[in-house]
Amino acid sequence: SQQGEEDPQALSIQEGENATMNCSYKTSINNLQWYRQNSGRGLVHLILIRSNEREKHSGRLRVTLDTSKKSSSLLITASRAADTASYFCATVGRGDDKIIFGKGTRLHILP
Amino acid sequence: NAGVTQTPKFRVLKTGQSMTLLCAQDMNHEYMYWYRQDPGMGLRLIHYSVGEGTTAKGEVPDGYNVSRLKKQNFLLGLESAAPSQTSVYFCASSYASIGAGFSSTDTQYFGPGTRLTVL
Repeated sequence: SQQGEEDPQALSIQEGENATMNCSYKTSINNLQWYRQNSGRGLVHLILIRSNEREKHSGRLRVTLDTSKKSSSLLITASRAADTASYFCATVGRGDDKIIFGKGTRLHILP
Repeated sequence: NAGVTQTPKFRVLKTGQSMTLLCAQDMNHEYMYWYRQDPGMGLRLIHYSVGEGTTAKGEVPDGYNVSRLKKQNFLLGLESAAPSQTSVYFCASSYASIGAGFSSTDTQYFGPGTRLTVL
């Protein structure tokens, strides 16, 4: 069964606005990762946050992790048309060699 | 440096036919994975390998077999295709165990995908 569940399933915002996507998971994790998938393409890794970290930044991306609530959020600031894509959270359990993906959030940036 | 490549890009099969999907990586990665992605779903892990000569089952292994005879290649086989196997298949690789928690080594790199239709 899938571990991460993203919320919302779909999101449309105006270019320049911030986009926030949330991910909830069920069991203890080693790390949580966010990926982007453009239409018809493979996934691209965005950022990884370890279970002992609370926040990480990468360019316009900010990821937070709350292990007590078993949730994470991905914030994209100053959105651009090129950010239109599906975003997936993925979790790696403690001692696991594999990663479990959620169903994703479809983000559409309106011009 | 081509990264992760997949062959073929598209394929149409009839029920009962067999085929093999090839994944190749030129990054000297130890770990390789096969996923399937269905509409409205995330990726589901079919099989994976933690090194040459090893394979392990993932979340949805039934109806698929894999082999990792060479470190750079990971093959996914369908012995008797069924319509339920219509999907987009993605291969991925990583340098080390993604359980290590280090972005530099356990990021997964994905191929472009193979769109398979089983009639």
